[in-house]
Amino acid sequence: DAGVTQSPTHLIKTRGQHVTLRCSPISGHKSVSWYQQVLGQGPQFIFQYYEKEERGRGNFPDRFSARQFPNYSSELNVNALLLGDSALYLCASSLGAPQETQYFGPGTRLLVL
Amino acid sequence: QKEVEQNSGPLSVPEGAIASLNCTYSDRGSQSFFWYRQYSGKSPELIMFIYSNGDKEDGRFTAQLNKASQYVSLLIRDSQPSDSATYLCAVYNQGGKLIFGQGTELSVKP
Repeated sequence: DAGVTQSPTHLIKTRGQHVTLRCSPISGHKSVSWYQQVLGQGPQFIFQYYEKEERGRGNFPDRFSARQFPNYSSELNVNALLLGDSALYLCASSLGAPQETQYFGPGTRLLVL
Repeated sequence: QKEVEQNSGPLSVPEGAIASLNCTYSDRGSQSFFWYRQYSGKSPELIMFIYSNGDKEDGRFTAQLNKASQYVSLLIRDSQPSDSATYLCAVYNQGGKLIFGQGTELSVKP
């Protein structure tokens, strides 16, 4: 079975631009979560979606937004990029019950110049 | 105080030794605890989860949970150079968010 997939794998943007990252969960998984991981730190929670509804939001500015589609895939959008947004963006999927194991995709590495 | 704390390391152990990785958490109501391994440049992969006090063993890995002390640990027996990675402790808080520690870098020397 295919695992969590993310696209693109790498991305270079300049300050002020907008970026869209995409994620497809494991087949049968209905929940997707997004994390930001900067070098030397653990992943930091951004959003969780379940059945197209936002279930949780981390401490990130409104420049960050996300959505989930009927096929359970998800997009993370970041507007007005800052240098500090450079990070590895991780998507994780789970079946959907609270406090379940999350399985991570390979991530998208974003560099903002 | 951080919600989940780990020693950043690096922790260096000789091949064949036991590596002990520790994690403390602040939310006393937390119920679910996870250990992930992350190789350099890769994404986290699940090693183990534990929900109940005590020990849980899976091959060379043992997770230990003590909710009274708000402490969870991971033991790796017969450490191999391929175990060299960053180990991430993750805990669900009562708000339902999965919170990660900063990770402990483990180096297993041949």
